[in-house]
Amino acid sequence: DGGITQSPKYLFRKEGQNVTLSCEQNLNHDAMYWYRQDPGQGLRLIYYSQIVNDFQKGDIAEGYSVSREKKESFPLTVTSAQKNPTAFYLCASKRGGVTEAFFGQGTRLTVV
Amino acid sequence: QKEVEQNSGPLSVPEGAIASLNCTYSDRGSQSFFWYRQYSGKSPELIMFIYSNGDKEDGRFTAQLNKASQYVSLLIRDSQPSDSATYLCAVVLSGGYNKLIFGAGTRLAVHP
Repeated sequence: DGGITQSPKYLFRKEGQNVTLSCEQNLNHDAMYWYRQDPGQGLRLIYYSQIVNDFQKGDIAEGYSVSREKKESFPLTVTSAQKNPTAFYLCASKRGGVTEAFFGQGTRLTVV
Repeated sequence: QKEVEQNSGPLSVPEGAIASLNCTYSDRGSQSFFWYRQYSGKSPELIMFIYSNGDKEDGRFTAQLNKASQYVSLLIRDSQPSDSATYLCAVVLSGGYNKLIFGAGTRLAVHP
């Protein structure tokens, strides 16, 4: 089955820890995205990548890092510099050009 | 001015009525426009994608795009209680990097 897989579904982080959220797609999509959603809020763009080995900061990139070493994978690291990381994180992908974008199931990150 | 603007709602409509959801965007060069439905705690689900001026119909849903007015809307005919969700408008900005930006979403409540 083609799709976008995010793991884990739930993640708990201790204060001062870095954690990495996984996003894998087998749709042969070029562009991939990471969003953060806080309760009752819309989606805010963290990072996005149009091609392998290239990515751009979104609107709230501080405290986050990404890599795009393979077309299928776009992991997000939430660093200790992100002071309020508790949120719902969503990964999306789309082909290039004027095409649809689809989401994974999300990862809910909680700081304990 | 926000790049994508939506009324937060809630928009309350009776079962069987037409629900009308509106979205404006600031980037005149934008070419791709999306409507997603998001149930509480779940990831967004694509319901409409439009890129040409005019109307696009899919079942009970109609998306309307007016690029001159920088306006995209979603009509839901014969609204059902199961349509109660948050509806997110999204736009791919011009500039060549496939930057996909979301509005804050409109909460729709369909009451029996």
